[in-house]
Amino acid sequence: NAGVMQNPRHLVRRRGQEARLRCSPVKGHSHVYWYRQLPEEGLKFMVYLQKENIIDESGMPKERFSAEFPKEGPSILRIQQVVRGDSAAYFCASSPRDRVSSPLHFGNGTRLTVT
Amino acid sequence: QKEVEQNSGPLSVPEGAIASLNCTYSDRVSQSFFWYRQYSGKSPELIMSIYSNGDKEDGRFTAQLNKASQYVSLLIRDSQPSDSATYLCAVAGGGADGLTFGKGTHLIIQP
Repeated sequence: NAGVMQNPRHLVRRRGQEARLRCSPVKGHSHVYWYRQLPEEGLKFMVYLQKENIIDESGMPKERFSAEFPKEGPSILRIQQVVRGDSAAYFCASSPRDRVSSPLHFGNGTRLTVT
Repeated sequence: QKEVEQNSGPLSVPEGAIASLNCTYSDRVSQSFFWYRQYSGKSPELIMSIYSNGDKEDGRFTAQLNKASQYVSLLIRDSQPSDSATYLCAVAGGGADGLTFGKGTHLIIQP
C-alpha cells in the first residue's frame, strides 16, 4: 500500500517546543497539501507545495509555521514555539497533478497535543 | 472569501432509508466538487467526485451538482449503520489555493 504516509501519528509537545510533522506523498505524486482540523471543525487549508516550491501558503499563519517539500525526502510542516492553540489534527494530502482536476488522497494525520 | 456551507446536523436517518446531504458554495468559478467521509478520529476518505451539472452515481451513492444554484448534494441509498460518519463537502476553484471544505454534516443511521 503506497498511500500518503504521515508520521508521527501522535505528537505531544510542551509549550515553546518545536513540532516537526512529516508527510510522504503517494509515489509519483508531486503535489502536497497540508490541512489543519480543530475538534468539531472542518479542514482548513494551510499550504500547497510542489517539489522544492511553495505554490500557495495563504492558509499558513505568518509566524512560527513553515513548510517545505525538498527534492528528496518527505514534506515537512514545522511549528516553532508551539502554543496550546496549535493542538489539532494535521493532515497531509497529495495528488498527481493540479488540484482543480484531481481529488486529494489524505494520510492518516498527525495529532498534535500541546501541554 | 470562498465559503462552503453544510448543515452540521446531526442528521438522523433510519436504516434502509435514503440519506440526503446538502452543500452550497460561494465561488461561482468553482470547477471540481468532492464528497469525503470521515469517521471519528480518522482521516477523510474520498467517496465521490463530480465536475459537471447533473447526477453521478456510484453504487449506493449519488452526487448531484447544480452550478447555477451553486449547490451540490450527496444521496446515500439503503443507508447502513456503517454509513454513520461526518460527510465533508469540498470545492476546488480556479484560484491557487487548495480544496475548500465545509465543516461537515454528522450523519447517524439508526438501526
